[in-house]
Amino acid sequence: DQQVKQNSPSLSVQEGRISILNCDYTNSMFDYFLWYKKYPAEGPTFLISISSIKDKNEDGRFTVFLNKSAKHLSLHIVPSQPGDSAVYFCAASADRGSTLGRLYFGRGTQLTVWP
Amino acid sequence: EPEVTQTPSHQVTQMGQEVILRCVPISNHLYFYWYRQILGQKVEFLVSFYNNEISEKSEIFDDQFSVERPDGSNFTLKIRSTKLEDSAMYFCASSPNHGGMGNTIYFGEGSWLTVV
Repeated sequence: DQQVKQNSPSLSVQEGRISILNCDYTNSMFDYFLWYKKYPAEGPTFLISISSIKDKNEDGRFTVFLNKSAKHLSLHIVPSQPGDSAVYFCAASADRGSTLGRLYFGRGTQLTVWP
Repeated sequence: EPEVTQTPSHQVTQMGQEVILRCVPISNHLYFYWYRQILGQKVEFLVSFYNNEISEKSEIFDDQFSVERPDGSNFTLKIRSTKLEDSAMYFCASSPNHGGMGNTIYFGEGSWLTVV
C-alpha cells in the first residue's frame, strides 16, 4: 500500500532555518490531508491539516501547501527549533462513501534540527 | 487538554494467548479507531467504530481481532490468539465526528505488544 509516500526518510536543518517536508499521494479520491508529529514511544500528535478545496493552510510556524494537480503536499516549518526534532507523518483521507476517517499514512520523515 | 489514554503501555505475551488492549477515548468523541505500527513500518489502519458497531475494517483486521465498547468510556481491542507478527505498537484514536474534512483524529500514546 503506497498510496501516501514520504520519499525522504530524514532531514537535517539548522535552527532558525526553514524545514520543508514533502509528501506525495497517488489516490485522487483523497481530499483531506494531515500532518502528525511523533516522538519516540509516544502517539502521533496532530499538527496541521488541509482540505482539497484549499492550497495553503497556516498555523503559526507551520504551513502546509497542497498541489492537487501534482498530488503533492509539503509542510514548512519556519523558523525551525530543536524541539521540532521528531518524526513527521503525512496522512490522507478520502471523505466519501464508507471510508469514515480511515487515514493512510506515509512512512514518515525524521527531522533533526541542530543548534 | 483532554487526551486518549491507553493501557497497558507495554505487554509481553506468549504466542497463542489472548490479549486485550484498553483505551479511554476523549469523552465527547463519537468515533473510535485502532491503528498499529510494526517496528520500522507505516502506521496502519485496523478498524473504525461508531454507534456501537464497526464502521470500517482493513484487511489486517481478520477474525482474530475484535473491538468492543463495553461501557460509556472504554474501547477495547482483543486479539484472540496472538501470532509473532502481531508484535507492534497499537494506537487507539478518537474523533469528535467522522474524522473527514475539517476534523482531526487524536491518538493515544500507544500500547506496545510483544509476542514471544
